[in-house]
Amino acid sequence: EVQLVESGGGLVQPGGSLRLSCAASGFTFSKYAIHWVRQAPGKGLEYVSAINSKGDSTYYANSVKGRFTISRDNSKNTLWLQMDSLRVEDMAVYYCARARSVVLTARYFDSWGQGTLVTVSS
Amino acid sequence: QSVLTQPPSVSGAPGQRVTISCTGSSSNIGAGYDVHWYQLLPGTAPKLLIYGNNNRPSGVPDRFSGSKSATSASLAITGLQAEDEADYYCQSYDSSLSGPWVFGGGTKLTVL
Repeated sequence: EVQLVESGGGLVQPGGSLRLSCAASGFTFSKYAIHWVRQAPGKGLEYVSAINSKGDSTYYANSVKGRFTISRDNSKNTLWLQMDSLRVEDMAVYYCARARSVVLTARYFDSWGQGTLVTVSS
Repeated sequence: QSVLTQPPSVSGAPGQRVTISCTGSSSNIGAGYDVHWYQLLPGTAPKLLIYGNNNRPSGVPDRFSGSKSATSASLAITGLQAEDEADYYCQSYDSSLSGPWVFGGGTKLTVL
């Protein structure tokens, strides 16, 4: 069974940092691109960041570019999202999601974790 | 303001058919990019319902179907059941600065 389990969320002050993890199991992690998607309270889903299967191509939404860093270790079946200079507007549930299709324009997400909550408040 | 526009809410009685629209533009759906649909139930992982406009992953009932035309797409649910009450999101690719992967604002389905 495909499983993605996020962890690392919590309460952080504006300007602070947090590192999210996504532990994968039940599939060959090294063969799939993985995305981070977030949902702010009362809002819709928003793409945050993506990394290809090898870890040598990364993508970021404009809203987080320069502040967030995505990385992965295929030997550990783990994905991370380093979040620096956090803002109140970054407060959300963060999901990791397995991407299907190497063709970027056709990409969709067939397995998701249950999410981890990031609260940014003073 | 989401790049893809969905109605905030729809409702229907058990057994009825409902549709949820997803309206885009020439930089996403209108450019020919595929539309995908997800179901979000509180406290659970989002679930893929439809991929590639009208394809169902294994395990998704055939009560769920998708369609696409011009700059919009629709999710149809027939034989509405109480457990269908959830939030539904469309997703596509966008070639503008808003992209590349964009979602609709979500639609809350209420089963009366």
